Amino acid sequence: AQSVTQPDIHITVSEGASLELRCNYSYGATPYLFWYVQSPGQGLQLLLKYFSGDTLVQGIKGFEAEFKRSQSSFNLRKPSVHWSDAAEYFCAVGSGAGSYQLTFGKGTKLSVIP
Amino acid sequence: EADIYQTPRYLVIGTGKKITLECSQTMGHDKMYWYQQDPGMELHLIHYSYGVNSTEKGDLSSESTVSRIRTEHFPLTLESARPSHTSQYLCASSQASAGNTIYFGEGSWLTVV
Repeated sequence: AQSVTQPDIHITVSEGASLELRCNYSYGATPYLFWYVQSPGQGLQLLLKYFSGDTLVQGIKGFEAEFKRSQSSFNLRKPSVHWSDAAEYFCAVGSGAGSYQLTFGKGTKLSVIP
Repeated sequence: EADIYQTPRYLVIGTGKKITLECSQTMGHDKMYWYQQDPGMELHLIHYSYGVNSTEKGDLSSESTVSRIRTEHFPLTLESARPSHTSQYLCASSQASAGNTIYFGEGSWLTVV
């Protein structure tokens, strides 16, 4: 069975500082990996995804993530955080094109200090 | 990006009442999903559908039921609401030809009192 671990429940960074949110997955085959962001009271917005190819993927809002198969990781990064980035971030792994479902991590809440 | 609409966004209802959460998508996606998310917790898949007349239960057991009579519509029904059903319900859809990326609606917050 697939699983996702987000080790950090809550991270606080200063505005303008760099950010890295950790995500480790467990899946037997090549994973489909996603990062979603959720603002309070809202649904989930897709930030970026990895299916295959270049292991460094670019997303919206200046985010990027790097797939490292040897470490089973898919960490999310942003070089300079804005106050509007404060939200909950979820990493997810998909089971493949056939019976396609997502397994989510428990999320990392990001707080931004002005 | 998919357009997915959920109604109602917020609902407070008494115990024992029947409720239906509506979900519609305008992109013609074949797959649709319902996830349940308790505050501060991860999402759990409770129902999914591969297409019209297809419904399957997800990883998390749920007393709710779903139907898929039309491609664009995937309503979720609770016959008799209980306080334990208080949660956020997120509808989503995806399409194999669009890379199977799952797109979410804004969610329906259900409170059962």
